[in-house]
Amino acid sequence: EVQLVESGGGVVQPGGSLRLSCVASGFPFSGYAQSWVRRAPGKGLEWVAAISGSGDGDRTYYADSLKGRFTISRDNSKSTLFLQMNSLRAEDTAVYYCANSVQMVDMDVWGKGTTVTVSS
Amino acid sequence: QSVLTQPPSVSAAPGQKVTISCSGSSSNIGSNYVSWYQQLPGTAPKLLIYDNNNRPSGIPVRFSGSKSGTSATLGITGLQTGDEADYFCGTWDNSLSAVVFGGGTKLTVL
Repeated sequence: EVQLVESGGGVVQPGGSLRLSCVASGFPFSGYAQSWVRRAPGKGLEWVAAISGSGDGDRTYYADSLKGRFTISRDNSKSTLFLQMNSLRAEDTAVYYCANSVQMVDMDVWGKGTTVTVSS
Repeated sequence: QSVLTQPPSVSAAPGQKVTISCSGSSSNIGSNYVSWYQQLPGTAPKLLIYDNNNRPSGIPVRFSGSKSGTSATLGITGLQTGDEADYFCGTWDNSLSAVVFGGGTKLTVL
């Protein structure tokens, strides 16, 4: 079964850090691009970051507003995607989803999400 | 403010047809494929349409997509109460080197 399972969410104080993980199964992880997408309460979907397939050199892309604070990476040997989030702010509070795609935009497999709450 | 513009809400009666528009620019919709996503309350987004007008396996033919110039449209026919959800368009933006989403459209089936 093709599956993505996120973990690592929780409650963190402003200025803190969290590392999200997303474990993939049922498909050749390294050959595909993966993204992190979030949805804050009362807001729409917001793309966070993406990493291309290993065939494209594992290139990384970020939403302008998040550059410098968030880092996307992957461990192909463990079929795992990561999102390192630093200097967290209240506005980063959201459900974070990982998603798999062929061409970045066609995200056909999604995890169920992990909730990040930034609050003092 | 989203890069892609969608109407905040649309509504129609069961069995009717609805369209949701997504407006962008030459750097995004005008030069890249568009995808559409459905997000039911409390669940993860689901891919409905990719490459402008293709449906993944398992998506009913009631859902269709089209693109013209810098705009795209999602069509849903034979509306069902189970279609009540938020719908998002998405594409790549060449100027931003980023995936961009529309602000989302809430569909109400009256």
